[in-house]
Amino acid sequence: GEDVEQSLFLSVREGDSSVINCTYTDSSSTYLYWYKQEPGAGLQLLTYIFSNMDMKQDQRLTVLLNKKDKHLSLRIADTQTGDSAIYFCAESISSAAGNKLTFGGGTRVLVKP
Amino acid sequence: GAVVSQHPSWVICKSGTSVKIECRSLDFQATTMFWYRQFPKQSLMLMATSNEGSKATYEQGVEKDKFLINHASLTLSTLTVTSAHPEDSSFYICSARDPGLQQAFFGQGTRLTVV
Repeated sequence: GEDVEQSLFLSVREGDSSVINCTYTDSSSTYLYWYKQEPGAGLQLLTYIFSNMDMKQDQRLTVLLNKKDKHLSLRIADTQTGDSAIYFCAESISSAAGNKLTFGGGTRVLVKP
Repeated sequence: GAVVSQHPSWVICKSGTSVKIECRSLDFQATTMFWYRQFPKQSLMLMATSNEGSKATYEQGVEKDKFLINHASLTLSTLTVTSAHPEDSSFYICSARDPGLQQAFFGQGTRLTVV
């Protein structure tokens, strides 16, 4: 079945690292994504990882994937106030209509100065 | 990344009227587009998958006669909310898959308010 879960809220001080966690249940997912949503806006793709990788780094972003535990995390180094937003993890699953994304509930990140 | 444009960004309409939302992929051809609905402080709920030149595939519980989807070209999909009611008020977001990148890019979203 498809179920993606995230913690609801994360508060972090500016300059510290943020770690957002996500768990999923479908072991057949091919790609896993992290999206950022600012108030009243659409989703911005931050990064993604292929399911046969266990780590991907992209500037301040580090994605860790533990496929055995079906656990995905996003680490943001040197968190800035502009990083305050809702972060969604999503898994890509093949379906009869093509690949579709299943989203977690989103983690609201608040960066305090 | 690729650009997906959604229009309008917000719309207010009267109960009983229909509203059309457009989703365009500006710099790539999208054979597949997706329509989502997002309630306040909640995640995105997939409504339907739209494939160019064929009928949309609707998720369970989504009324296909109420939410009409047309994907007439490789760069445009439309969602029409027919006979809108206040409970249809929501944030609607489209995404388009760039087959060359194997990624889906999202529009800015449309906030629909039915009064």
